[in-house]
Amino acid sequence: GDSVTQMEGPVTLSEEACLTINCTYTATGYPSLFWYVQYPGEGLQLLLKATKADDKGSNKGFEATYRKETTSFHLEKGSVQVSDSAVYFCALSDLGTGGFKTIFGAGTRLFVKA
Amino acid sequence: SQTIHQWPATLVQPVGSPLSLECTVEGTSNPNLYWYRQAAGRGLQLLFYSVGIGQISSEVPQNLSASRPQDRQFILSSKKLLLSDSGFYLCAWSGDRVGNEQYFGPGTRLTVT
Repeated sequence: GDSVTQMEGPVTLSEEACLTINCTYTATGYPSLFWYVQYPGEGLQLLLKATKADDKGSNKGFEATYRKETTSFHLEKGSVQVSDSAVYFCALSDLGTGGFKTIFGAGTRLFVKA
Repeated sequence: SQTIHQWPATLVQPVGSPLSLECTVEGTSNPNLYWYRQAAGRGLQLLFYSVGIGQISSEVPQNLSASRPQDRQFILSSKKLLLSDSGFYLCAWSGDRVGNEQYFGPGTRLTVT
């Protein structure tokens, strides 16, 4: 079945450091890929997405490229801020037996220190 | 605009008692609906999803069930709760295309004692 694997956290960085959170997936079809973010005390919200191979999703300085050959969708940011502290979830959306479904990874907690 | 509601926000129930969590969506029609459980340190686990009234797909066999009696209403139930059912339950909706993002409700914190 479909699955998403992302690097375990927590990840602790200093402000202005570079961030990479690895995400790989297994899917039977041609999924769309997403990164969701959960800020402290808030609900999950979409950060960025890519719907086909080689697409790059970007938002708020974050970006991720859909790599079909390596089945990966790594999240990157060149310079993190304290306000980026949150839990980040990689996810895929694919066609299941009962319709479209979305599978999430375990989440990676990011702490950014001033 | 679309909004998604869940209630109750928190719930404490004894082992063996029944459960009913409700989710409703406003401002859209024929949404795909989802129930997830978020356990500490374990991410989001998809429990059920539905593409229409009365159509339920289960991802994980367990003592929970789901129903969709109306287009924008999704209910998560159990006849007898287990300690392991404790967690944070999230309802979400999306459009019916694979690239559509999901929109999440505020969640219900369930503690089974």
